[in-house]
Amino acid sequence: DQQVKQNSPSLSVQEGRISILNCDYTNSMFDYFLWYKKYPAEGPTFLISISSIKDKNEDGRFTVFLNKSAKHLSLHIVPSQPGDSAVYFCAAAGGATNKLIFGTGTLLAVQP
Amino acid sequence: GAVVSQHPSWVICKSGTSVKIECRSLDFQATTMFWYRQFPKQSLMLMATSNEGSKATYEQGVEKDKFLINHASLTLSTLTVTSAHPEDSSFYICSAIRDTNEKLFFGSGTQLSVL
Repeated sequence: DQQVKQNSPSLSVQEGRISILNCDYTNSMFDYFLWYKKYPAEGPTFLISISSIKDKNEDGRFTVFLNKSAKHLSLHIVPSQPGDSAVYFCAAAGGATNKLIFGTGTLLAVQP
Repeated sequence: GAVVSQHPSWVICKSGTSVKIECRSLDFQATTMFWYRQFPKQSLMLMATSNEGSKATYEQGVEKDKFLINHASLTLSTLTVTSAHPEDSSFYICSAIRDTNEKLFFGSGTQLSVL
């Protein structure tokens, strides 16, 4: 049972435009959400997070939106840059443990 | 920021041999470390949770006798893949957490190829 889903395996965007990466979850116990960026053969690096008490968190070019009623979050990157090309994972945690449940990732390609 | 070092970054071994992967927190004491594996085009899958000084907690379907985890100190956890087989070939990543409210810090990962 995939509790965290990223339904788009890939996304291609022109440099300078907005990239929107989507993530859906099923477990209502999740109360903390994170986005990670991963280059090939490297470990994921933390990008941005959001707690369930907020619906938006912004850090530079990256903004994460959380819609709790829809159990949906999205990552907006604007303006997109070629160096943003990577696989983006969303992850969720909640309940009594620190376990992170990851989505399957979305490959973002930013075209120059 | 906090740094987690993982070694080696890649390893090739023969079927039947054992491989040890180290995960170190360089500038903080990690009370809890996690081990993940990722198959190509799939999600990061949690294998086990490792707490310093106690036995690791394995996720369902992960063989504890095959994937030995030792969290001997607050800065070091090791994963040993025993009697490795080609199906164990994967990308293994560790992560560490400083306390319960901190985000995870990830190592750079280890690409294991079993011939």
